[in-house]
Parts: sequence; structure tokens; C-alpha cells
Amino acid sequence: KAGVTQTPRYLIKTRGQQVTLSCSPISGHRSVSWYQQTPGQGLQFLFEYFSETQRNKGNFPGRFSGRQFSNSRSEMNVSTLELGDSALYLCASSLGTAGANVLTFGAGSRLTVL
Amino acid sequence: QQQVKQSPQSLIVQKGGISIINCAYENTAFDYFPWYQQFPGKGPALLIAIRPDVSEKKEGRFTISFNKSAKQFSLHIMDSQPGDSATYFCAASKRGSQGNLIFGKGTKLSVKP
Repeated sequence: KAGVTQTPRYLIKTRGQQVTLSCSPISGHRSVSWYQQTPGQGLQFLFEYFSETQRNKGNFPGRFSGRQFSNSRSEMNVSTLELGDSALYLCASSLGTAGANVLTFGAGSRLTVL
Repeated sequence: QQQVKQSPQSLIVQKGGISIINCAYENTAFDYFPWYQQFPGKGPALLIAIRPDVSEKKEGRFTISFNKSAKQFSLHIMDSQPGDSATYFCAASKRGSQGNLIFGKGTKLSVKP
């Protein structure tokens, strides 16, 4: 059974650019959540998508956005990159139904903003 | 406001010893408390989880103890092994927000041979 796949694994951008990260969930999982991991702030929730709809949103500026496609694959976009956006971005998938809390994480996309 | 507080930040244990990591939470609406293990270069992986209607859950060498009245829960790793060296995160989520885990800051565990 394939796990959660995130692409690209590493990328370098400069300030002001934008970036799009992709996540393919485990087959059958309808929920995809995104997290930002930094040494200072730890793991912080960005947003969750279920059946192509944003179901929950964390406390991040509007520069961070996402979407989910009909096959449950998800993308997140960060516009007008800032140095502080350098982080490991993790995607997690789950069944998304009541009581089905188990999140399975991908290996992450490491973004460096110069 | 940090909703889930984790301690210690780092922990060194001898092989065969017991590793204990503690977490405290504030929001009584939390109803799911997982522990995740993360190795360098990897995403977090679920280790064990508990709901507040149970005071203890054991899976192999890993045990969660849960104290609902004190709003605290802890992870005990028995017979710690060098392969257990990793960063451990406690987390919590509310009913209906299962995709939104609130994580503690993490504990870096080193098990010395």
C-alpha cells in the first residue's frame, strides 16, 4: 500500500516568488491536511481539505492557500515568499470520517527561501 | 497560547532504561491524544494514541498514561533501545477537527548504548 507522496522533496526559491507543493494521499483517503514544521514554532496546522472543500483552517496569512482535486490529491500554494516561509511542509492524509483520526504523514517538502 | 505543552525538550536515556515524556493540555474539548515519532528526514509517524475515556493504553514497549482531571498525559518507553532515538511529539485534536492536530514542541530522545 503506497504511502503519502509529496513532491518536490526539496526546493529553493527567492523572496517574492511563489511556490506550489503537491500531495498524493493514500488510496481511499479523502482528507488531506497540511502542516508547516520549523525549529522555532514546531508543527503548525495550515488547513485541511475533505472532498474538495476546505474543512478547517489554521492561523496563517492569506498568502498560504490550498486546494483538493476530485481524486483527493492536494496542492498548497504560497505566494510572495518571505524568508520566514523556509520550512518543512508536511502533508497528511486520513479517511476523514468521524472517529477516523489517524493521520499518515508524507516525508515533506523542504522549502528554502533566499 | 500554547495549547499543548510538552516536556522535556531533550532526554538522554541509557539502553534498557525507561524514557518518560510528559504533556499537558488546556482545552477540555480535546478528545484524541496521539503520540508521533519522527526520524531525521522523515515525516512524523503515529506511535500510539488514546481517548479520554481510557486511563492507560499499552502497545508493546510503549504506554500512554492519561489523567483527565489533571489534563495531562505521558508516554513511557520501556526497555529503551538506540533505535528509539528520535523526536517525539504529543498532540491533541477536537471532535470534528480530526485533521487539525495541535502538537507539542517535541522531545528529542537519545538512547545511549
